[in-house]
Amino acid sequence: GESVGLHLPTLSVQEGDNSIINCAYSNSASDYFIWYKQESGKGPQFIIDIRSNMDKRQGQRVTVLLNKTVKHLSLQIAATQPGDSAVYFCAENIVNTGFQKLVFGTGTRLLVSP
Amino acid sequence: DVKVTQSSRYLVKRTGEKVFLECVQDMDHENMFWYRQDPGLGLRLIYFSYDVKMKEKGDIPEGYSVSREKKERFSLILESASTNQTSMYLCASSTGQGGNEKLFFGSGTQLSVL
Repeated sequence: GESVGLHLPTLSVQEGDNSIINCAYSNSASDYFIWYKQESGKGPQFIIDIRSNMDKRQGQRVTVLLNKTVKHLSLQIAATQPGDSAVYFCAENIVNTGFQKLVFGTGTRLLVSP
Repeated sequence: DVKVTQSSRYLVKRTGEKVFLECVQDMDHENMFWYRQDPGLGLRLIYFSYDVKMKEKGDIPEGYSVSREKKERFSLILESASTNQTSMYLCASSTGQGGNEKLFFGSGTQLSVL
């Protein structure tokens, strides 16, 4: 899972396996959460989002689970492919003095072996 | 598709120089953001803007300023570049509707300050 610090957590999986990337968020008042994928040399790319009134949301091969009790978010990738290799970031939307802004985790690197 | 364009992919500057990083979005988005990305630290918000000529400090504004004279353009300015500002800089935009914001990112500018 993601953690603060200099070391980027890495998840290594075999092609075809399911991947689960975890994220702990900080603010119980956060109302919106997003997962981004960042490939080498590119900017972060939106994958999937979920609002705080939901526990689960599914996209194409991806599912996001939200556990507000323990402030935990996870991204599940089904049938992982080599093209899924990237760094994955979770982000929470924090309401702050009338403005809302995204706060990002430190990222998890996913390595997919053929 | 939303396109967020950052004017330079790589920049090398000297300590003390004034540096301009330019960002343009083509989807008439209200909100624009500047983040810096450093290994192990994730994305950190420098400044953001919710309207033309409007700016708000993010989490790490020291040493930076911004300009938003037109809706589509958001510039990040390093008044006097220092070596600790060597980083990847990411611009993003969002529609800002309803407060829950899916950000669209540019490809980033890798700035090296020597």
